[in-house]
Amino acid sequence: NAGVTQTPKFRILKIGQSMTLQCTQDMNHNYMYWYRQDPGMGLKLIYYSVGAGITDKGEVPNGYNVSRSTTEDFPLRLELAAPSQTSVYFCASSYLTSGHYEQYFGPGTRLTVT
Amino acid sequence: KNEVEQSPQNLTAQEGEFITINCSYSVGISALHWLQQHPGGGIVSLFMLSSGKKKHGRLIATINIQEKHSSLHITASHPRDSAVYICAVGGNQFYFGTGTSLTVIP
Repeated sequence: NAGVTQTPKFRILKIGQSMTLQCTQDMNHNYMYWYRQDPGMGLKLIYYSVGAGITDKGEVPNGYNVSRSTTEDFPLRLELAAPSQTSVYFCASSYLTSGHYEQYFGPGTRLTVT
Repeated sequence: KNEVEQSPQNLTAQEGEFITINCSYSVGISALHWLQQHPGGGIVSLFMLSSGKKKHGRLIATINIQEKHSSLHITASHPRDSAVYICAVGGNQFYFGTGTSLTVIP
């Protein structure tokens, strides 16, 4: 299994541009997540999905959109990029084991908006 | 106030030292996770625990559910242990601490 894969690894955007961060997992996990990690801050949940066709907002959803048309894919869309969206973005998936959720993380996407 | 507090924020140790990182949380949880993030950014799960103690090699994690507190111990620390250690709690959604940056000097 490749686990959780993310593309691209790095991206520089100009203010107002749009882009999609791709995330794919091949472990048949139902739950998928998008987080952002800012310097000195803990990971913050942007959006999550409990299965194909179902998504919900996390703690910091403004400026982002997601879709979950398949179990494997959970892309994150940035519309009208702003400098405040400069961050490292992590996608994760999880499954229920022994009553608890085990999370697997992608390698991250480092995004700079200038 | 953050749901998850870690201490210390930064830690420098000499190779071979015993290291303790602490995590306190304020929310109800089904499990607590210790994660490791190396320079370059990848995050891996070290432990998932809901009670008692777990051990993997030189790493030991303990949790006290009543006190809402967990500790991560590293015995005989090594420079390759240098990383950021993150505590996360929750169920199907997670709350994360800000991490403890550990540097082990040879």
